[in-house]
Amino acid sequence: AQSVTQLGSHVSVSEGALVLLRCNYSSSVPPYLFWYVQYPNQGLQLLLKYTTGATLVKGINGFEAEFKKSETSFHLTKPSAHMSDAAEYFCAVSSGYSTLTFGKGTMLLVSP
Amino acid sequence: EAGVTQFPSHSVIEKGQTVTLRCDPISGHDNLYWYRRVMGKEIKFLLHFVKESKQDESGMPNNRFLAERTGGTYSTLKVQPAELEDSGVYFCASSQAPGSYEQYFGPGTRLTVT
Repeated sequence: AQSVTQLGSHVSVSEGALVLLRCNYSSSVPPYLFWYVQYPNQGLQLLLKYTTGATLVKGINGFEAEFKKSETSFHLTKPSAHMSDAAEYFCAVSSGYSTLTFGKGTMLLVSP
Repeated sequence: EAGVTQFPSHSVIEKGQTVTLRCDPISGHDNLYWYRRVMGKEIKFLLHFVKESKQDESGMPNNRFLAERTGGTYSTLKVQPAELEDSGVYFCASSQAPGSYEQYFGPGTRLTVT
């Protein structure tokens, strides 16, 4: 069985500040990890994914995440928040050939 | 290339009525998935089609839900009769390869049962 825990249902940052969204997972097999973003009235969009190889993964819009096996974490970061980053972010895990198991989501609020 | 589309975007129905949601995957994607997000909770898997066959329907909540994928193209998800707890956002996703290497999601259908 797999599970995902996203710490914080809402995270507030100021424009230009560091964005850190936390994700911890549980998996009995080597995990495939994903971050999706949902902007208002839009579908889920893949930000980045880790399957194998380099543990630091770069995604779109300046986001990146680091797979830390020892900590079972896959936190999402961005050095400088922009107003357009305000959205809901979902961390997800799979075993590669299974379906996605999502966390509850974190709403990112960006203030000027 | 057109993305995954879903219809309708919103649906408000009364308890006991029937609703049918439709998903058109990306052309050429054999794999189609349905997910649901009940308010305040995580997005949960409902079922997975490979072409017209149900590969995995372990997430379907009960027999009031019926999913079909005629001819391996678009899919429908029917809820009959709808209950209050069926309210939520229903997402459809498709992928070319099996598994979850990259699933492309539609905008979702927001279902409200009153």
